[in-house]
Amino acid sequence: QSVLTQPPSMSAAPGQKVSISCSGSSSNIGENFVSWYQQVPGKAPKLLIYDNKKRPSGIPDRFSGSKSGTSATLGITGLQTGDEADYYCATWDRSLRAVFGEGTKLTVL
Amino acid sequence: QVQLQESGPGLVKPSQTLTLTCTVSGGSIGGGGYYWGYIRQHPGKGLEWIGFISNGGRTFYNPSLESRVTISVDTSKNDFSLRLTSVTAADTAVYFCVRADMGSATTFDYWGQGTLVTVSS
Repeated sequence: QSVLTQPPSMSAAPGQKVSISCSGSSSNIGENFVSWYQQVPGKAPKLLIYDNKKRPSGIPDRFSGSKSGTSATLGITGLQTGDEADYYCATWDRSLRAVFGEGTKLTVL
Repeated sequence: QVQLQESGPGLVKPSQTLTLTCTVSGGSIGGGGYYWGYIRQHPGKGLEWIGFISNGGRTFYNPSLESRVTISVDTSKNDFSLRLTSVTAADTAVYFCVRADMGSATTFDYWGQGTLVTVSS
């Protein structure tokens, strides 16, 4: 059971918007930056968002991140079939370890 | 462009030691500012952080694995290694090596392609 809670699955139509939540606690999200990763089957995860809302070079602005209190959200607008993947949130915990959410499987119908 | 590549045996017997090496190209481990570490993913499951090390040798390990894990760095070879002792079938997973920004320890900006390690007799 993960320290960070994400919805197991979400789905939306192409062109639509989706928001993936990541819920933690005061010992992790509440006092540390959150990052988000996209993983397509058989591949390594790819960094999408870091420091709550920053995008690495090459990540389109359709992807956005936000944090409020002990929760964080990944937003994806203009959904494309290529966005079908598993999405993970991650942060540092006061117990001196990195923690990941359980992952959200996004289906673009 | 930084690239990471894992190497090591794909099959390890129960109770033995799993050893993987990650070779870094396109950047120097000795340059500082980053942690170098490992994350694993059990078949069909989520991501589990194992630990990381700085170029100066400071280590952080997942408390659930700490008694069995050692991560070391060799700046002369520009690589770093994972040792996981007393493995069981529960250690069967894809192992990724990663680089993490030292300012935000969970910004894993570069990943190896991953290597499947199976623990079986």
